[in-house]
Amino acid sequence: DIQMTQSPSSLSASVGDRVIITCRASQSIDRYLNWYQQIPGKAPKFLIHSASSLQSGVPSRFSGSGSGTDFSLTISNLQPEDFATYYCQQSFTTPNTFGQGTNLEV
Amino acid sequence: EVQLVESGGGLVQPGGSLRLSCSASGFSFSSYAMHWVRQAPGKGLEYVSAIATNGRSTYYADSVKGRATISRDNSESTMSLQMSSLRPEDTAVYYCVKGFDSSSYFADAFDIWGQGTMVIVSS
Repeated sequence: DIQMTQSPSSLSASVGDRVIITCRASQSIDRYLNWYQQIPGKAPKFLIHSASSLQSGVPSRFSGSGSGTDFSLTISNLQPEDFATYYCQQSFTTPNTFGQGTNLEV
Repeated sequence: EVQLVESGGGLVQPGGSLRLSCSASGFSFSSYAMHWVRQAPGKGLEYVSAIATNGRSTYYADSVKGRATISRDNSESTMSLQMSSLRPEDTAVYYCVKGFDSSSYFADAFDIWGQGTMVIVSS
């Protein structure tokens, strides 16, 4: 199975900040990398697919980049509703695997 | 509105069985692979199982292989996960999830998630 490793595991930031979350795959996954946001008590929300394609309705302050094994999620101008846990997920091959999550907190 | 609604969770004793169901609406259910993802309390997301559009191909994570059976009814836009020989480590919220790309088989992004159904395995 492909292992996905996110860093950091937790991150403190403030409204208006710009933050970067990274995700590393244990082998090359081309650009088959997706990002999700999860607010406590809620289901994950689909943010980005194919490393950098923003899902419809997701604010443009979210952006993704990377290819191969190294990827990043950038959130610019943090808003109060952005404080959540973020997961990366590879869809290069089965089984789909997730990173361990990054908890973004105030 | 595109929607997935799970049901069937609850408290079950170790060694017991449970059938989780997922009802889909608002999209062409038969055109997409469907998946189950679970999340243990306070933990991350774990991919559990998947079923192809025609229902004939399935995938199971090693953690549930031999104890879970996934099925779907395209005429009713429903999917199920039958789990047996349940263990305390199966305790989790189980999410029904829609595959993003209708041309993908099992490796896919997940664009629509249900609200989840809680399964607690405890004596």
